[in-house]
This record gives sequence, C-alpha cells and structure tokens, in this order.
Amino acid sequence: DTGVSQNPRHKITKRGQNVTFRCDPISEHNRLYWYRQTLGQGPEFLTYFQNEAQLEKSRLLSDRFSAERPKGSFSTLEIQRTEQGDSAMYLCASSLFGTDQDTQYFGPGTRLTVL
Amino acid sequence: ILNVEQSPQSLHVQEGDSTNFTCSFPSSNFYALHWYRWETAKSPEALFVMTLNGDEKKKGRISATLNTKEGYSYLYIKGSQPEDSATYLCAFLTSGTYKYIFGTGTRLKVLA
Repeated sequence: DTGVSQNPRHKITKRGQNVTFRCDPISEHNRLYWYRQTLGQGPEFLTYFQNEAQLEKSRLLSDRFSAERPKGSFSTLEIQRTEQGDSAMYLCASSLFGTDQDTQYFGPGTRLTVL
Repeated sequence: ILNVEQSPQSLHVQEGDSTNFTCSFPSSNFYALHWYRWETAKSPEALFVMTLNGDEKKKGRISATLNTKEGYSYLYIKGSQPEDSATYLCAFLTSGTYKYIFGTGTRLKVLA
C-alpha cells in the first residue's frame, strides 16, 4: 500500500451517537493532518500530529472532537455526541516534514452523515 | 487571522479555451505555496509547490507563477480539456508554525 487510507469511507449515524474514523498514513511520513470539508468549502484544518505528538488543534474544534496517534503511525478521530452540523467529509493527509516543502498526500476521506 | 482567497469560485469554459485562476495569500510568514487538484470522488492531488518569489512551474498544459511580495499566485491551463474539470485548491504554508491554510478552491468545468 503506497497511499493514505481511511476507514470507513462512509458513515451514517444518528444524532447523539459517537463515531470514530481511522487514517493510515504513508508509512515513512512523520506528519498526519485531519481536515473537514463541507459543501462548497475548501478543507478546514482540524488538527495535526508530528510523530505521536499533537502539535496543534483548531480553535474551531469543539471538545466533542478528539484525535490520537498513539504510536506515531495510524490516527483516529473521534466525534462524541454527534450533531447534524458535523456532517461533512473528513480528510486525512500525511507528509514527510522537511522534504518537498511538506507536500501533503491525501486519503479518500470519510463522509459522515448525521441524521 | 491568516486568510487565503481564491477567485473565481467557479468557472465554466469551452474545450480548447485557456483559463487562469488566482490565489491570494498573506505576504508575511511565507514558507511555501501549494496547488492541489481535486477531482470529484478522488483525493486532492499535489500539482505544484512553490517557494521563491518569481517561481514558475509547469506540468504539461498547466503552469503556475508566484509573487510572494504582493501575495498572489496564478494557475494557468492552456487548451482546457474535459479531464481538467476539477476543483483547484491552493494552500499557504506558514513559516514558523508550518501550518497549512487552504483556500476555498476554484471549481472548473470544461465543456466538450
């Protein structure tokens, strides 16, 4: 596998439920980013990791959102008590910071629909 | 608050037309400017990364220029083809924090 993978690709849930998404980056990449994209908008930054350290989290991100990258490899993004406004495409990207001006390689995304 | 703006938001052109879009970004704290191409149902794909004022990059019929002093980059497509239809995103990478700020994209539709 030479690309970034995300699971699941689609998730439909009821309001108030918790959901968890997984991202597997390109294996040698040290940075991993999470973005959210709603209709008609560009990707909105959520958070990013360098190795296992979470370096930044968007101030727009509510405390219902949490992300982990426990061993510096895959990452999970959890949304607790989902709301309809959480419906979006959640994108993960990885990069090898320090090379190629940090070009990001994106996964296919997880589309979340909250009913 | 750092902001990246792209114009136009959307664009329809006829096959064979040439077109261009603009990405405006802060002229301070510049590290790099990336262009990505995002086709429907696919992941964003890197097109160019530009770092120096006056940079010009080219890939086939697509080229880009960079002006870091005034804070803009242009993306040009020569002789547009239907397969060029996509959203073109620019992303500004800040120095210091090395954080990405994406524009909202320009949605291009090339009509056959």
